[in-house]
Amino acid sequence: AQKVTQAQTEISVVEKEDVTLDCVYETRDTTYYLFWYKQPPSGELVFLIRRNSFDEQNEISGRYSWNFQKSTSSFNFTITASQVVDSAVYFCALSGQGGSEKLVFGKGTKLTVNP
Amino acid sequence: GAVVSQHPSRVICKSGTSVKIECRSLDFQATTMFWYRQFPKKSLMLMATSNEGSKATYEQGVEKDKFLINHASLTLSTLTVTSAHPEDSSFYICSARFGSQDEQYFGPGTRLTVT
Repeated sequence: AQKVTQAQTEISVVEKEDVTLDCVYETRDTTYYLFWYKQPPSGELVFLIRRNSFDEQNEISGRYSWNFQKSTSSFNFTITASQVVDSAVYFCALSGQGGSEKLVFGKGTKLTVNP
Repeated sequence: GAVVSQHPSRVICKSGTSVKIECRSLDFQATTMFWYRQFPKKSLMLMATSNEGSKATYEQGVEKDKFLINHASLTLSTLTVTSAHPEDSSFYICSARFGSQDEQYFGPGTRLTVT
């Protein structure tokens, strides 16, 4: 069975601090996809990244970066120089082959960035 | 990215009544649509997967007679909550994809309150 664990329920930081959101996954598939989504208070899910299991290169997009390590089954997400607008719930998710099969979500991490 | 809409965004209904939620892919043909449910401060749980023209596949524990899903066209899927009860109050989110290798695109969600 597939499982995603986000151990941090809530994180609170002060603006401009860096913050890392942890994600650990379990799967028996050899091909799988990992995702991060942002859910602001409005409720709409905002897609941040999709990474397939064969691509372990770290990725950077502006203030966002992702660290994928198959050896530890982790796909951590770092926000550099956090801003108040980053406040949201962040979900890590996993899917099997094809990238768009059933998505299994972690429980989410609520990030609060204080001014 | 592709656009998925949901209607209504919010609905309040009385216990015992039925309510229909629509999910539309606005700029692509969605061969598959997914329905998720999210309780307050909880993660998203997949309820069912619907393929155009065929019966929906429900996840374990989801009552198919209570949550009726119809995917009659390539741009529209509907979720009907029949004989709603207060415990059905939740945030319902749909997603849609074009093909098996394609990304899932999420709608903005529908907040259902049953009084």
